[in-house]
Amino acid sequence: GAVVSQHPSRVICKSGTSVKIECRSLDFQATTMFWYRQFPKKSLMLMATSNEGSKATYEQGVEKDKFLINHASLTLSTLTVTSAHPEDSSFYICSARGSGQGYSPLHFGNGTRLTVT
Amino acid sequence: AQSVSQHNHHVILSEAASLELGCNYSYGGTVNLFWYVQYPGQHLQLLLKYFSGDPLVKGIKGFEAEFIKSKFSFNLRKPSVQWSDTAEYFCAVNPSNRDDKIIFGKGTRLHILP
Repeated sequence: GAVVSQHPSRVICKSGTSVKIECRSLDFQATTMFWYRQFPKKSLMLMATSNEGSKATYEQGVEKDKFLINHASLTLSTLTVTSAHPEDSSFYICSARGSGQGYSPLHFGNGTRLTVT
Repeated sequence: AQSVSQHNHHVILSEAASLELGCNYSYGGTVNLFWYVQYPGQHLQLLLKYFSGDPLVKGIKGFEAEFIKSKFSFNLRKPSVQWSDTAEYFCAVNPSNRDDKIIFGKGTRLHILP
C-alpha cells in the first residue's frame, strides 16, 4: 500500500541552527501535504497545508518565516525549522493525500522528534 | 513491525444507527492511543485519547472508545450517528516510551445517509 516516509525520525540540533525534515510519498503522487506539530499529551496541531507547486497555507499563529515549507514536487515536501530555539522542540508529523478523481486516502509519516539544545 | 489496523475502510450507515469502528495495533509495550477525525474540507481533530486509567474513554460529540489491552484493541463507538458524522476517522498509536514515533491506521471513511 501507499507509504509516506518521513526523515529523519529523530534529530538534535543547537539553538540558532536550521533543520530540514523531509516527507516523501513513496508510491503515489501527493498533491496535498499537511504538516502537524504535537506537544506532549496533546493532540496534533495543524501547522500548514501545502499543495504542489504553490505556497503553503499556514494556520493562524504559525510563523511562516520560521517554518519554511516547500512542496516542489509531487512526491516531496520539506519543513525547515529556521534559527531553531528550544521551544521549537517537538514532534512533527506530515501527511499526504494523492491526486485523481474520487476519494484519495490520507497517509501519515511516522513523525520526527526535534530536540533543540 | 509495529502497525495499526483499521478493519473497515468504508462504512455507510443511516442516521441514528449505532457505530463501531475497529482498531487493532501490534506493539507489545505500553501505548498511548488516539482517535482523530477529519471532516470534509477540514483538518484533523482529536476525538479522544487514552494514556492511562479508565479504559473506557469518552470524547467529543458523543464518541467513546474502549481500550482492551488483551485484545490490543481501541474500538471507537457512538450509539446514534448523525449526518454530520460523515468524515474520515483515524486510529493512532504512540509507544509510551517513544517520543519519536506515532503510527496511524489507514483510516475509515464513514458516510452517513440522511
